[in-house]
Amino acid sequence: GNSVTQMEGPVTLSEEAFLTINCTYTATGYPSLFWYVQYPGEGLQLLLKATKADDKGSNKGFEATYRKETTSFHLEKGSVQVSDSAVYFCALSDQRAGANSKLTFGKGITLSVRP
Amino acid sequence: GAVVSQHPSRVICKSGTSVKIECRSLDFQATTMFWYRQFPKQSLMLMATSNEGSKATYEQGVEKDKFLINHASLTLSTLTVTSAHPEDSSFYICSASWGGQGFWEQYFGPGTRLTVT
Repeated sequence: GNSVTQMEGPVTLSEEAFLTINCTYTATGYPSLFWYVQYPGEGLQLLLKATKADDKGSNKGFEATYRKETTSFHLEKGSVQVSDSAVYFCALSDQRAGANSKLTFGKGITLSVRP
Repeated sequence: GAVVSQHPSRVICKSGTSVKIECRSLDFQATTMFWYRQFPKQSLMLMATSNEGSKATYEQGVEKDKFLINHASLTLSTLTVTSAHPEDSSFYICSASWGGQGFWEQYFGPGTRLTVT
C-alpha cells in the first residue's frame, strides 16, 4: 500500500534560517504529491503540489521537487519567518480512483520559528 | 476558488446527545467529500468517503451507526455523531474533491472542534 514518511519533529529554528523537512514515499503507480500546512486550531491549507516526476512545486517561498528516483518530496525554504510556525504534512494521492482518490498523510511535523 | 466551509466551528454537547456537522463546497460541485478525525498532535485519520446520492464508504474500524454521513447534494455533506461520548471529542475536518485543474485535489474545510461533556 501507499505510505508517507516524514522526518521526526519538532523542529525549532531562528528567524531567517534555512528549512528542510524531509519526506519520502512508497506508492504504486505515479502519485501526485502535496505539502499541506496547518496553523493552530485551523484546517489544512495546501502549500504546494507536484503531479509528475521532476516537477517543482513552489509557494510563499517554499519549494519541493518530485524526485522519482529517490521517492522523495523534501520541503525547503531559504529564510523562515515567525509566521511560518505551523504543522506541515506531506501527502500523496495516487489519482487512480478519480474523485475518490484518497490522500495518504505523513505524521506531520511541528515547526517553531523564534524571533 | 475551491472554498470549503464547515459549520459549526466549535460545539459542546452533553454525553448521549447527537451532533450534526455540515461541510459545504461554496464555489464548486463535489461528487465526493471526505471526513477526517484528528487527535491532538497527530495526523489526520480518514473516517469515510462520502459520495453524493449514495451510501458513504467507511474506513475499517469506524462505526457507521455512530458516525452517520449524508451527502444529499453536490455541495453539502453532513456528519452526525450519534449518542456522543467524551471519547468522541476531537477535531473533525472535511474535504471536497475537485478535478478542475486536470487532476484530483482535495480542498479542506476549517474543521469543527467537538467537545462532549
